[in-house]
Amino acid sequence: SQTIHQWPATLVQPVGSPLSLECTVEGTSNPNLYWYRQAAGRGLQLLFYSVGIGQISSEVPQNLSASRPQDRQFILSSKKLLLSDSGFYLCAWTVKGGQGLNEQFFGPGTRLTVL
Amino acid sequence: KQEVTQIPAALSVPEGENLVLNCSFTDSAIYNLQWFRQDPGKGLTSLLLIQSSQREQTSGRLNASLDKSSGRSTLYIAASQPGDSATYLCAVRETGANNLFFGTGTRLTVIP
Repeated sequence: SQTIHQWPATLVQPVGSPLSLECTVEGTSNPNLYWYRQAAGRGLQLLFYSVGIGQISSEVPQNLSASRPQDRQFILSSKKLLLSDSGFYLCAWTVKGGQGLNEQFFGPGTRLTVL
Repeated sequence: KQEVTQIPAALSVPEGENLVLNCSFTDSAIYNLQWFRQDPGKGLTSLLLIQSSQREQTSGRLNASLDKSSGRSTLYIAASQPGDSATYLCAVRETGANNLFFGTGTRLTVIP
């Protein structure tokens, strides 16, 4: 069965510090991968998605970046965090289009607080 | 741009009641619609996925319906239990798209 891991689970960082959040998927290959942010009282905002190694699409302009160095690894980064980067970050995956129901599965999330 | 709306934003019911959560979307050219559950501080758990060609899906006490032409979906929960308390989110995937568009959710509280 497939599982998705995110770490760390919680993180408190000062403004201006760097960020690296990691997501890995097990039990599947060549998935589409996604990073979402959920701010307090707001819906899920898609930040990045990737259809393959080294392929990243950005949905919103921001000081965050994403990378996919391996098939089942997705990393969210920032060189300098802002207060507005605080939120709950969720990683998700789906199988490729036309290869099933395209059901989206989510990881447990990382709670980021920027002080 | 696709917009997904969920009404009500919050709902409180006594245990044992049947209830309906609503989801509407503006562009009917969808590939599928997915209902999720989110417990406080946790990730999203997929509940039901309805393909655009389907009218409904059932899993246990949950039944989700889809009326693509009118841009609506409902999630029916039978015989609600306190353990059903959570935020319920619906999301649509448009045809040819890789991402989901999410509603802001309905926070459900089932009172024992």
